[in-house]
Amino acid sequence: EAGVTQFPSHSVIEKGQTVTLRCDPISGHDNLYWYRRVMGKEIKFLLHFVKESKQDESGMPNNRFLAERTGGTYSTLKVQPAELEDSGVYFCASSQGTGSGTEAFFGQGTRLTVV
Amino acid sequence: GQNIDQPTEMTATEGAIVQINCTYQTSGFNGLFWYQQHAGEAPTFLSYNVLDGLEEKGRFSSFLSRSKGYSYLLLKELQMKDSASYLCAVKQDDSWGKLQFGAGTQVVVTP
Repeated sequence: EAGVTQFPSHSVIEKGQTVTLRCDPISGHDNLYWYRRVMGKEIKFLLHFVKESKQDESGMPNNRFLAERTGGTYSTLKVQPAELEDSGVYFCASSQGTGSGTEAFFGQGTRLTVV
Repeated sequence: GQNIDQPTEMTATEGAIVQINCTYQTSGFNGLFWYQQHAGEAPTFLSYNVLDGLEEKGRFSSFLSRSKGYSYLLLKELQMKDSASYLCAVKQDDSWGKLQFGAGTQVVVTP
């Protein structure tokens, strides 16, 4: 069974440009999460989808970030326009449920560098 | 807010035991996870505790004390492949599964 996959694995863009990250969760997982790790800091929550609906977007930094999950399958995270502080590793995770012991499966991340 | 603290780095020799501590302050605790992450790879699930006590899984064990806000991950019979970052993460009640992470502990295993 395929795990959580993310594209691209690396992206280098100039400040002011637009970048779109994609996440394909494990098939059948209704819950999809985006997280981000900036240099030297902990992994931080960005937002959570249940199927195609945004359940919690309290971690989104600002309105330059737009996440979608049309059809409740794969998700995209667009950064427009990108700023230097957006550099970091963006992780996607998926899970079947949200209960206490439910494990979240992570992708390998997309390393975004804004220059 | 929440504080989840763990040491930045630990070094141990092959065959030894290492204990990684994690302390947390949170309201509505609903479970603690340990993940392993090799450089450039996905974090992978190691263990989960929600009740006090020790959970053992082969060479890895995890302990939780809810009253102390404390957990540890014990790695026994260390192997070179155990060199990785170990992430402590807490889940809260009514959080719909989102995790709050510590900054991770880099374990370096030397020959």
